[in-house]
Amino acid sequence: AQSVTQLGSHVSVSEGALVLLRCNYSSSVPPYLFWYVQYPNQGLQLLLKYTSAATLVKGINGFEAEFKKSETSFHLTKPSAHMSDAAEYFCAVSPTNSGGSNYKLTFGKGTLLTVNP
Amino acid sequence: NAGVTQTPKFQVLKTGQSMTLQCAQDMNHNSMYWYRQDPGMGLRLIYYSASEGTTDKGEVPNGYNVSRLNKREFSLRLESAAPSQTSVYFCASSERRGANEKLFFGSGTQLSVL
Repeated sequence: AQSVTQLGSHVSVSEGALVLLRCNYSSSVPPYLFWYVQYPNQGLQLLLKYTSAATLVKGINGFEAEFKKSETSFHLTKPSAHMSDAAEYFCAVSPTNSGGSNYKLTFGKGTLLTVNP
Repeated sequence: NAGVTQTPKFQVLKTGQSMTLQCAQDMNHNSMYWYRQDPGMGLRLIYYSASEGTTDKGEVPNGYNVSRLNKREFSLRLESAAPSQTSVYFCASSERRGANEKLFFGSGTQLSVL
């Protein structure tokens, strides 16, 4: 069975500082990996996804994530935080051997990012 | 572009009451999903519809039913609401059902069951 762990339910950074949100997965085979963002009172939006091509994935709004098989990690980073980045971020994993369906997509519990002026 | 539209945005029910959450997408997507979001729990899949005419149970289907009315619409019904169903409900859609597909989410329905 697959699972995803997000370390830190709440991360606080200063505007202009590095953003690092951690995600580790457990899966019998290298999975597909996603980061979604949820702004207040909105649904989730896809930031980026890893689908076994390049291990460094660039997403929207300056975010990127690196797939590290040896560490079973897919941490999300952004060099310089902006006030508009304040939101909740979810890591998600989908097994590549799920018979071609994403109904086994598993979300982490989320990390709330606060950006201080 | 409307994307995925959910109604209502807020609802308060008494225990035992029934209601239907409505969801419609205008992106001609084949697959649709209902999730619930609880504090500290992430999102959990209730039901999904891989394509028009099919529905399947997800991780937490008990107490819910769904109807894929047509390609655009996917409704979620609570026949006899319970306090444990207090949650935020999200409808989502994807072009196909593939494991690497991007999900598009509605803005959610906040449901309280007293």
